[in-house]
Formats: sequence, C-alpha cells, structure tokens
Amino acid sequence: GAVVSQHPSRVICKSGTSVKIECRSLDFQATTMFWYRQFPKQSLMLMATSNEGSKATYEQGVEKDKFLINHASLTLSTLTVTSAHPEDSSFYICSADTLAGAGENIQYFGAGTRLSVL
Amino acid sequence: GNSVTQMEGPVTLSEEAFLTINCTYTATGYPSLFWYVQYPGEGLQLLLKATKADDKGSNKGFEATYRKETTSFHLEKGSVQVSDSAVYFCALSTGGNKLVFGAGTILRVKS
Repeated sequence: GAVVSQHPSRVICKSGTSVKIECRSLDFQATTMFWYRQFPKQSLMLMATSNEGSKATYEQGVEKDKFLINHASLTLSTLTVTSAHPEDSSFYICSADTLAGAGENIQYFGAGTRLSVL
Repeated sequence: GNSVTQMEGPVTLSEEAFLTINCTYTATGYPSLFWYVQYPGEGLQLLLKATKADDKGSNKGFEATYRKETTSFHLEKGSVQVSDSAVYFCALSTGGNKLVFGAGTILRVKS
C-alpha cells in the first residue's frame, strides 16, 4: 500500500529555535497534503491543507507565520515551526491524499513527529 | 459545526472477546464515515468506511454500520486478538477531502 514517511519521529529543541518536519509520499504522487496536531488524549486537529506549488490553506486559529508550510513537489511537504516555544510542544502528523478507485480520495498518514520545546 | 465523539478508553479485553467502540457524530449534510487504526509507532491506517446511510463497512473482521437515525458508526469485532491492540479513531468527511476526527480509543487485548 501507499507509504507516507515523516521525519524526524522525535525532536527536542530549545525555545526560540525553528524546527522543520518533512512529509514524503514514497510511492505515489499526492494531490494534497495535510498537517495535523494532536494533543494528549485529544483528537487530531487539522492545521492546514497544502497543494503543490500553491500557498497552504490554514484552519481558523492557526498562525501561518508560526507554522510555515512549503509544498515543493507532489511528493514532499514541509512544516517549519518558527521560534518554537514550550506551548508548541505536541505531536504533529501529516497525511497525503491521492485518488483511489471509483474517484474516491484516500488519505495516507505518516507516523507523526513528537516535538518537545524546552 | 461537525464533530465526532467516541468512547473514552482504554478498553481492555481478553483475547476472543467481543469488541464494541462507540462513535457518534454531528454533521451538516451527509457525511462519509471512517474508522482509522494506529498501531504503535506507525501512522494511521484506514480500517473501513461507509459513504451513505445503512452502508456497512468491513475489514479484517471489523464492521461498522452507518446509522443515520442515531447518527452513529459503532465499531465491532466478534473475536479480538492481541494483534488488534492499537488506537482506533472514528472520523467523518462532509465533502472535499477534509477529515474530522474523534479523540481516539485505546484498545488493549490481553492473552
């Protein structure tokens, strides 16, 4: 089946630094990629939707200058958490969307990145 | 707005026990409904789905029926195995490709 690779799986950084997370679709081209954030014991919250070559669409309440998304190709999207602070510590998950049979879209998920800001 | 509510876990069962994880939803329009599973250290995987009322999704022994009258999509399996231990997410989509997830339910199956 389709594989989405997310890297790194875990990162610890100092407050004020920036962190980049990569999301790659390994064996398919993604029409759309999504970035989610998950707090402990809570749902995955959609942060933004991105399409290759265009600006990401951010959900209400998500700071676009804080969470920079670049979707450089049909197989790669990156999320950069700029000037990270402890409140940005969370589990970030990406997914890549592609057409399955009968015109349906299926999302394939990465394994997630645990960000800890000290 | 759209939302999904699923039962809190963890759910702990013995091997071969019957499993039910409840899921109810609130949505405008006619959503598609999904169950995703996340095994330790892995990404979410689509387990099953249903796109209209009374549809039954099934996969790997798991089943869920889209009940419009009760706005529910409960996940069931007749006989769980230790390998079914994972986190299960109920989700909906109301068009386009955005998903709204429930909080997830941890399932632990003991041998």
